[in-house]
Amino acid sequence: DSGVTQTPKHLITATGQRVTLRCSPRSGDLSVYWYQQSLDQGLQFLIQYYNGEERAKGNILERFSAQQFPDLHSELNLSSLELGDSALYFCASSEGTSGSGEQYFGPGTRLTVT
Amino acid sequence: GENVEQHPSTLSVQEGDSAVIKCTYSDSASNYFPWYKQELGKRPQLIIDIRSNVGEKKDQRIAVTLNKTAKHFSLHITETQPEDSAVYFCAASAYSGAGSYQLTFGKGTKLSVIP
Repeated sequence: DSGVTQTPKHLITATGQRVTLRCSPRSGDLSVYWYQQSLDQGLQFLIQYYNGEERAKGNILERFSAQQFPDLHSELNLSSLELGDSALYFCASSEGTSGSGEQYFGPGTRLTVT
Repeated sequence: GENVEQHPSTLSVQEGDSAVIKCTYSDSASNYFPWYKQELGKRPQLIIDIRSNVGEKKDQRIAVTLNKTAKHFSLHITETQPEDSAVYFCAASAYSGAGSYQLTFGKGTKLSVIP
């Protein structure tokens, strides 16, 4: 157990809908990262927050947004869902923003868009 | 931005043999190189990492080597066991601005250890 929690574990929804994925980082970690993993694909970095502020953006679609709250938990919002958005979504946390620190991954949320 | 290439995409070895996975990166400023193991349907777990001031690091049956000049790093697993079967991802950490660093992952290597 990495100490990072994600809810829900599974989510099935229809095209055009909107969903919210939730992540709670390890105790003491200030950074949260979101990744998308499609079938047979690697981990695509979406976005990073540090202590409530957006710090880095990767290949995140405009239909997707995220935020980090004062208690450091983070939410990833996915809207106008398309079939291609079906994937595993992981969040990870780390103590700081340093490049030499380990990122701890949560168990992931499997999103299925039908 | 950073680009990480990983080879091979699949690797089958006999139990007890060694396995080697190689990665190259593009950003010479990258300074942290972790390796993650992901079992089917599970989260990626860090198995070993290396920083740019070190050329080699070993942890029991797992070792990682880094060649900064050539911008490549490799994972070596010796005496492979069936439980080593998984997908392995390499990553490189590069500065992404605003005081933050970003991990860029390779596409993964599916390792199968045949008993």
